[in-house]
Amino acid sequence: TQLLEQSPQFLSIQEGENLTVYCNSSSVFSSLQWYRQEPGEGPVLLVTVVTGGEVKKLKRLTFQFGDARKDSSLHITAAQPGDTGLYLCAGAHGTASKLTFGTGTRLQVTL
Amino acid sequence: EAQVTQNPRYLITVTGKKLTVTCSQNMNHEYMSWYRQDPGLGLRQIYYSMNVEVTDKGDVPEGYKVSRKEKRNFPLILESPSPNQTSLYFCASRSLGYNEQFFGPGTRLTVL
Repeated sequence: TQLLEQSPQFLSIQEGENLTVYCNSSSVFSSLQWYRQEPGEGPVLLVTVVTGGEVKKLKRLTFQFGDARKDSSLHITAAQPGDTGLYLCAGAHGTASKLTFGTGTRLQVTL
Repeated sequence: EAQVTQNPRYLITVTGKKLTVTCSQNMNHEYMSWYRQDPGLGLRQIYYSMNVEVTDKGDVPEGYKVSRKEKRNFPLILESPSPNQTSLYFCASRSLGYNEQFFGPGTRLTVL
């Protein structure tokens, strides 16, 4: 199993602060996805990145895929309480028949 | 509404008592998968299926069985549950060739 390590594991910040979550692996992935999971629900896809060095923006969220396609980061600008949740990265190999999920980062944004 | 449904949502059972968690999707997806989620370990794949009658092991298949007799259904079977199978289980589906997986709401299983 190719592990994906996320850091930090937990993050508690105040509204308006910026934060970055990292997803690292020793394995090369053909694509990488980020999901957000809220309590009592399943993960929901936020974005997929497929090209080394690719940067995608989703409102206040910026996702980057590493040049070597082994790592990724998620940056949130001016965090809001609605950003609270568990963030999971997931790497795919080849035809994406199998996703390897990261260990997760639990984010709490307080007023 | 396009969705993945799981039943039951919560289940408390005892060691050795066979159980089945059902999963159904209404999106005509070929690919379906089961995951378990444990604190600090993220989501780990148990089994997946690329289409009807085609199933394969994921990372943690021991103690589980699946079947795919119909495209929409992918039940997870625990023949003889043990306490180490206490976990939060998710079913997911997607269309082959597309990245996005759609997850069910989860089943919280406790084995005493």
